[in-house]
Amino acid sequence: GNSVTQMEGPVTLSEEAFLTINCTYTATGYPSLFWYVQYPGEGLQLLLKATKADDKGSNKGFEATYRKETTSFHLEKGSVQVSDSAVYFCALTVSNFGNEKLTFGTGTRLTIIP
Amino acid sequence: EAGVVQSPRYKIIEKKQPVAFWCNPISGHNTLYWYLQNLGQGPELLIRYENEEAVDDSQLPKDRFSAERLKGVDSTLKIQPAELGDSAVYLCASSFEPSYEQFFGPGTRLTVL
Repeated sequence: GNSVTQMEGPVTLSEEAFLTINCTYTATGYPSLFWYVQYPGEGLQLLLKATKADDKGSNKGFEATYRKETTSFHLEKGSVQVSDSAVYFCALTVSNFGNEKLTFGTGTRLTIIP
Repeated sequence: EAGVVQSPRYKIIEKKQPVAFWCNPISGHNTLYWYLQNLGQGPELLIRYENEEAVDDSQLPKDRFSAERLKGVDSTLKIQPAELGDSAVYLCASSFEPSYEQFFGPGTRLTVL
């Protein structure tokens, strides 16, 4: 089956620090990979995505590269801000003739200290 | 453009009581999803609708859970009777079509005492 394993939290960093949140996956088929973010009191929002190997998704200073050889999709940001404090979820879907189902990791809570 | 609307945002009930959650998707979105998110876990799909048809309900515990989307727009998820283990956040999401980006509502946090 499909599964996503992501770095356990919580993660606490100082403002302007470099961020990496690890994510690895197993999938039956060729997955599309996603990072979702959940800010306090809000719903999940799509942060970035990549649909094929070596693609790099990017948004709001965050990046993640689809690495097929290591089955990974690590999230990175060069300089985090207090406003980045949230829970981050790695997820995948495998195309199944329109029956795509999102499979999520357990989430990583990130707290940025000023 | 309004996002996915869910109500109530919070609900506290005693075990064995019934409870219902309501979701109004983004206008024009044909596909609607209900997810269960346990504390410290990622969301898990309960049911997916395409218009008014439930096309994937394999993860819905049908002995106590039911859902409907009668006119293919808003949807209701019901639990009867609720158990202590049902305490969780229930998320609704919608998309234009199944292969398109899903947009999530803020969720309903259920506490069963």
